[in-house]
Amino acid sequence: GENVEQHPSTLSVQEGDSAVIKCTYSDSASNYFPWYKQELGKGPQLIIDIRSNVGEKKDQRIAVTLNKTAKHFSLHITETQPEDSAVYFCAASTDSGGSNYKLTFGKGTLLTVNP
Amino acid sequence: GAVVSQHPSWVICKSGTSVKIECRSLDFQATTMFWYRQFPKQSLMLMATSNEGSKATYEQGVEKDKFLINHASLTLSTLTVTSAHPEDSSFYICSVSGRRYEQYFGPGTRLTVT
Repeated sequence: GENVEQHPSTLSVQEGDSAVIKCTYSDSASNYFPWYKQELGKGPQLIIDIRSNVGEKKDQRIAVTLNKTAKHFSLHITETQPEDSAVYFCAASTDSGGSNYKLTFGKGTLLTVNP
Repeated sequence: GAVVSQHPSWVICKSGTSVKIECRSLDFQATTMFWYRQFPKQSLMLMATSNEGSKATYEQGVEKDKFLINHASLTLSTLTVTSAHPEDSSFYICSVSGRRYEQYFGPGTRLTVT
């Protein structure tokens, strides 16, 4: 099955700096890659996603890049703010048959933005 | 995205009892719902996938007789933890999927078994 590796496990940056989180996946058939932000005690929130027919996608301060050949994708957050502090999960979607697309998650990155 | 609610948000039960967790899609008809379990400082682990009106598909290693899933309508899925034990204590999160890719998560339910 699919395996998603995520690095780093923790990341500390100063407010205003950029943060980059990287993920690799193993299944070349995966074709959908979302990123989730999870605050303590809450459910994950979808912040951005990318499909395999696109190399880069941007939404304000957040961007995601995808390299299908190397099977890796990255989350970029610019001009970080203290409220960006959370755990970030990458995921890859594998067709499990029929119309169900299961997500395989990375282990998460705890991002701390220091004011 | 879809708005998803879960009830209760937090529950404590005694060992050997059963607990039911509800997941509702408030503004979206969810043909597919997913149930995840998350232990402290760990990632989300998929437990099962349920399609409205049919039996749930469980992931390997998840006991279907212990974790009963009912997806009776396009807006409601329930997870019942039967004969709960302390090792079942965890954060249970549901997600809904109406289209082929996106999943939107509920706020989670914290289960503590004493």
